[in-house]
Amino acid sequence: QQQVKQSPQSLIVQKGGISIINCAYENTAFDYFPWYQQFPGKGPALLIAIRPDVSEKKEGRFTISFNKSAKQFSLHIMDSQPGDSATYFCAASVGGSGYSTLTFGKGTMLLVSP
Amino acid sequence: DTAVSQTPKYLVTQMGNDKSIKCEQNLGHDTMYWYKQDSKKFLKIMFSYNNKELIINETVPNRFSPKSPDKAHLNLHINSLELGDSAVYFCASSYSAGGSTDTQYFGPGTRLTVL
Repeated sequence: QQQVKQSPQSLIVQKGGISIINCAYENTAFDYFPWYQQFPGKGPALLIAIRPDVSEKKEGRFTISFNKSAKQFSLHIMDSQPGDSATYFCAASVGGSGYSTLTFGKGTMLLVSP
Repeated sequence: DTAVSQTPKYLVTQMGNDKSIKCEQNLGHDTMYWYKQDSKKFLKIMFSYNNKELIINETVPNRFSPKSPDKAHLNLHINSLELGDSAVYFCASSYSAGGSTDTQYFGPGTRLTVL
C-alpha cells in the first residue's frame, strides 16, 4: 500500500514558469512533510518542509501548500530555472524515540527548458 | 567537507557473491539509515540505527545485514547477491532529538549492479 502518492511522474516547464507537484497521504500519524530534491548522481537533499498546523510555507521561490483536511500537500516552484531540473520527492515523517521515519512519494522528474 | 560518505560509489558483481558497502558521517549524528532506490527511483527505508542499536528493520531479506561499529559508521553487508538487488543504496544520518522533524542527510549513493 503506497502511503504517499505523488503526481505527476514527470513535468516539463518553460523557464520562468511555475512548476507544481502534488502529493497525498493516507496515514494521519504523519506529522511532518518534507520535500527532497535529487540531482542525477547525487543523494536527495532537503529542500523545504512543513508541519501540518501550517497551511503554507515559503522559502524563496519554493512554496509548500498544505491541506490537512484533504490530506494533500503540494510544492510550487515559482520562476522555474534550468538549474531546478531535478527529481523532487515529497515525503511524510513520523517520529519515534531517537529516530524519524520518512515515507517517500515516487518522485517527479522536473525538466525546465531554457 | 564531506558530511555523509559512502564507499564504493559503484559496485559491479556477479550473482551469488557477497559484498559490503560502507558509510561514514562526520556530522556528529546519532542515527543512521540505509535506503534502497530502485530503477524507477523509488526510495524505501531498509534499516535505521540509533547509537549503534537497530531500531528500524523493514521487510528486507535476511541476506542484508547492517552493522554499526560506532555512531559514525553504518555498513551494509549483502550475502548471496541476486539480480533484484541491483539498485542505488543510500546511507543517511540525522541528529535525533526524537521527533519527526529530524532532517535526514543523505550520502552520494552506491550503485550496485548484479550481473
